[in-house]
Amino acid sequence: EPEVTQTPSHQVTQMGQEVILRCVPISNHLYFYWYRQILGQKVEFLVSFYNNEISEKSEIFDDQFSVERPDGSNFTLKIRSTKLEDSAMYFCASTPLGLRGANSPLHFGNGTRLTVT
Amino acid sequence: KNQVEQSPQSLIILEGKNCTLQCNYTVSPFSNLRWYKQDTGRGPVSLTIMTFSENTKSNGRYTATLDADTKQSSLHITASQLSDSASYICVVSARYGGATNKLIFGTGTLLAVQP
Repeated sequence: EPEVTQTPSHQVTQMGQEVILRCVPISNHLYFYWYRQILGQKVEFLVSFYNNEISEKSEIFDDQFSVERPDGSNFTLKIRSTKLEDSAMYFCASTPLGLRGANSPLHFGNGTRLTVT
Repeated sequence: KNQVEQSPQSLIILEGKNCTLQCNYTVSPFSNLRWYKQDTGRGPVSLTIMTFSENTKSNGRYTATLDADTKQSSLHITASQLSDSASYICVVSARYGGATNKLIFGTGTLLAVQP
């Protein structure tokens, strides 16, 4: 069964450094998302992406964050200058038809654990 | 305010037993309700998705119910197995128009199945 793949599985970085988290969504999916989960807390929405542009973003997704689909397969999340509070599990997800229907489950990757020291 | 509340926060059961997890939501306008299973250190995996008109949906030993009038859902696990140990997350999709709905996540119920 096709999967959303994320790399790296673990990333340790120093405060103030830039990080790029990479994702390969499922190939025929059109909608892409980034979520994060701080340890012990609920999953939080960051951004959705469709047709090569951001369709929605949360208040967490400030100017330090950006997303890109540099080619036909990769979807990246960049954090420009990391802060301690950016430490979390970051999940990429994709879906073929958006989130309206019962026939459009959201497929998550296994996440990148980002640790900012 | 759109919220999803789950109970209990955690649950320990013996292998082979059944259990029911609860989800209450205050999300409007409602689009659909999803249950996910999240193993430790992994991404959530979809179990069921239900729209407004569906009362029950099964996926193997998992059966979800939805009462859209009372805004409650439950996930029933039958004949639990050790591999059912995970966090179970209730997620409600709110319809805001356009192509993108918003997902509101619950905090999850942490289930431990013991031999």
